[in-house]
Order: sequence, then structure tokens, then C-alpha cells
Amino acid sequence: DAGITQSPRHKVTETGTPVTLRCHQTENHRYMYWYRQDPGHGLRLIHYSYGVKDTDKGEVSDGYSVSRSKTEDFLLTLESATSSQTSVYFCAISESGLLSNQPQHFGDGTRLSIL
Amino acid sequence: AQTVTQSQPEMSVQEAETVTLSCTYDTSENNYYLFWYKQPPSRQMILVIRQEAYKQQNATENRFSVNFQKAAKSFSLKISDSQLGDTAMYFCASPQRFTYKLTFGKGTLLTVNP
Repeated sequence: DAGITQSPRHKVTETGTPVTLRCHQTENHRYMYWYRQDPGHGLRLIHYSYGVKDTDKGEVSDGYSVSRSKTEDFLLTLESATSSQTSVYFCAISESGLLSNQPQHFGDGTRLSIL
Repeated sequence: AQTVTQSQPEMSVQEAETVTLSCTYDTSENNYYLFWYKQPPSRQMILVIRQEAYKQQNATENRFSVNFQKAAKSFSLKISDSQLGDTAMYFCASPQRFTYKLTFGKGTLLTVNP
């Protein structure tokens, strides 16, 4: 299994509080991704990174920011959490771009509940 | 916008039978890869199979195979000899053009009955 660790695995917090989720990889892969998974929507990309300090927005990036100061860590921050951000969050990594045969490998997910 | 469509929200199959999950996509890439992922109740996302679009031959991984119709942009997953452990949500994914991003379908919940 790919070495991907998401922390925390579960979190309950209140509306308006800041939240940071961490994704740590031991594979030295260049690309990292944050998704959210909601019933009826599948997985939707929030942000992704194609290198240290290189990030870009996905389809549902409003209300989220990311940072990648070193290859192994990709942080997702909710500056002021809202109930609509209650979801399961997945981190994924891939070795190379999608025009290769290298798939994305996923972490085990973080269940975030915002009350 | 890039879309991936899985038209069957839920399916069920008897153990040992064969089932096919459908997926259509609309990438405008010429050379690309397509993926099926499985998400069992444990919530892990597990790669099931991948297909290279420029290859005519359909990919096969043990009991899992694909029926890839490039012109129709169809990428269905066939599971033979279904097992109880195949019970999961299955997601099809295709790449967005000129990006490093995958677009996922909304998933098909497959239940294998004893």
C-alpha cells in the first residue's frame, strides 16, 4: 500500500472555527490532491499540488486553502468552517501526470463534522 | 465541463454471477488512461483496474475486466464470479484535458447477495 497518512481521522468542530487537515506521504510523489466525498456527488477535487509550493484549484475550492512547503506534506485548511463543509475528505498522491499509467493512490480519509 | 456518468446508482448480483457496471465519459484527450476504483464499507479507495486508451485490448485483472469502446467513450467494468467481498461502491474516473486532475463519476453501489 502507498504510504499515505491522513490526520486526524475524525474531527468534530463548531461553525466558524479554523480546521487544518494534514496529508503525509512517504512515497516522494510529486502530485498530491484533496477531495471531498459527499452522498450523491462522488469525489470532487478541492485543490491539488504539482510540486512544492505549486498548487491549483479544483472544482469546489471556495472556503478552502492549501499549502505544500515540502514534498511529503499537503495541508488543507478551512479558515472558518461551515456546516456545508461536513464531509469525508480524502488525500491522494500520484507519481506522475495523468497522461501516464500511474494512478492516484488514496489515504484512508478524514471524517469531518461541523456542528 | 468534463463529466463522467455512471447511470446505475445501485446494483445487486447473486454470488458467483457476473455483473457489469457502466460508465461513460467525455474527455477530449487522445491518449489517456481510465480507472475504476472500489470503495468498500471500510471507506478505503482501492484501484481495481486501469485502461490505456490507445490500446485496443481490454484490460483484465483476475475476475475484473473492462469493455472499452473508445469511439463511444464507454468504459464498463465486468465482475465475473462475484464474491461477497466485492460489495462496495465503484467509481469510474477519467482525466481532464491538459491537467493533472481526474474527474470521478458519482458511483455505483454494488451489493453481492449470498
